[in-house]
Amino acid sequence: GDSVTQMEGPVTLSEEAFLTINCTYTATGYPSLFWYVQYPGEGLQLLLKATKADDKGSNKGFEATYRKETTSFHLEKGSVQVSDSAVYFCALSGSSNTGKLIFGQGTTLQVKP
Amino acid sequence: NAGVMQNPRHLVRRRGQEARLRCSPMKGHSHVYWYRQLPEEGLKFMVYLQKENIIDESGMPKERFSAEFPKEGPSILRIQQVVRGDSAAYFCASSPPDRFGTEAFFGQGTRLTVV
Repeated sequence: GDSVTQMEGPVTLSEEAFLTINCTYTATGYPSLFWYVQYPGEGLQLLLKATKADDKGSNKGFEATYRKETTSFHLEKGSVQVSDSAVYFCALSGSSNTGKLIFGQGTTLQVKP
Repeated sequence: NAGVMQNPRHLVRRRGQEARLRCSPMKGHSHVYWYRQLPEEGLKFMVYLQKENIIDESGMPKERFSAEFPKEGPSILRIQQVVRGDSAAYFCASSPPDRFGTEAFFGQGTRLTVV
């Protein structure tokens, strides 16, 4: 079945450091790919998305490119801020085309001043 | 346009009681999804509903759990005879018909604690 694997956390960085959170997936068909962010005690917010191969999603300085050849959707940011501290979830839309999402286990990012 | 509204935000139940979780989708949204997040884990799909119909319940436990999305009113996730293992955060998401399958908006969740 469809699945998403993220790098394990926590990831601890200093402010202004470069961020990469790895995400790989297994899916039949051509899923859409998403990154969601969850701040403490809150729900999930869509950070960015890509709907087809080679698309690049970007938002708030974060970006990720849909790589079909490596089945990856790694999240990157050139310079992180303390306010980026949160849990990041990679997800794909299931092959059943019902709109349900398959999530990775989440990666906690902690940015220190 | 208010976002997806879930209530209550926190719910404490004793073992054996019933838990009712409510979700009001965004205005104009006709698709509702429920997900469960166990501690230190990602979200797991439970059920997908449209008005008065369950479309996909492949992630629902076979017993004690049920969901509905009536013609009027919020979607309800019902857990009967709760056990400690039901303690989790339950998230609802909704999406509009015209953006089906591409984006879902999440509520802030209901954190259920079974004591």
